[in-house]
Amino acid sequence: GAGVSQSPRYKVAKRGQDVALRCDPISGHVSLFWYQQALGQGPEFLTYFQNEAQLDKSGLPSDRFFAERPEGSVSTLKIQRTQQEDSAVYLCASSLRGSKAGELFFGEGSRLTVL
Amino acid sequence: EDKVVQSPLSLVVHEGDTVTLNCSYEVTNFRSLLWYKQEKKAPTFLFMLTSSGIEKKSGRLSSILDKKELFSILNITATQTGDSAIYLCAVLPMDSNYQLIWGAGTKLIIKP
Repeated sequence: GAGVSQSPRYKVAKRGQDVALRCDPISGHVSLFWYQQALGQGPEFLTYFQNEAQLDKSGLPSDRFFAERPEGSVSTLKIQRTQQEDSAVYLCASSLRGSKAGELFFGEGSRLTVL
Repeated sequence: EDKVVQSPLSLVVHEGDTVTLNCSYEVTNFRSLLWYKQEKKAPTFLFMLTSSGIEKKSGRLSSILDKKELFSILNITATQTGDSAIYLCAVLPMDSNYQLIWGAGTKLIIKP
């Protein structure tokens, strides 16, 4: 596709449910990032992939969060046993160059609401 | 601790006005500063600044960086209702190739 595609756009989960959020980056983009954005805040870094390698997962808030990018393209962010504090917009971004975050292309995000 | 602070947090102006948004930073080993526009949900890239005093311009938007005073401004002239958005500033430190430090954004509302 022409841009970064994320699905679902909206997800409502009951506390304790597992959710999976998908990101389809721009074809050929080496780098892929996941961010969490709370209302009225800037994006908070979660994790970074270069191709299929997860080079940094230091931003994942707990071991309930897991991300993968097995073939170096589509990525999935999984949140297990969701909690209310997980409610946020999850943004995925990709960039062409492997080692430069300069111009990130963001998806529309997945808004997660945990009840 | 590295941080990026944007001001004002929100701003309401009338169409045709000129606005100036501020981004100050305290970041060890600065590499570059980026501005993004966030309408609805997806931030879109506006500018990347690495050198002091060199203005970047795109239509009615322009931005400049002051590495001595550690801030950047984003100017929008002759504002239009389509400029209404959250404007995000982020800084990339030298010791990271990818981990941007984001400000909280300035919410700009343009009234017709």
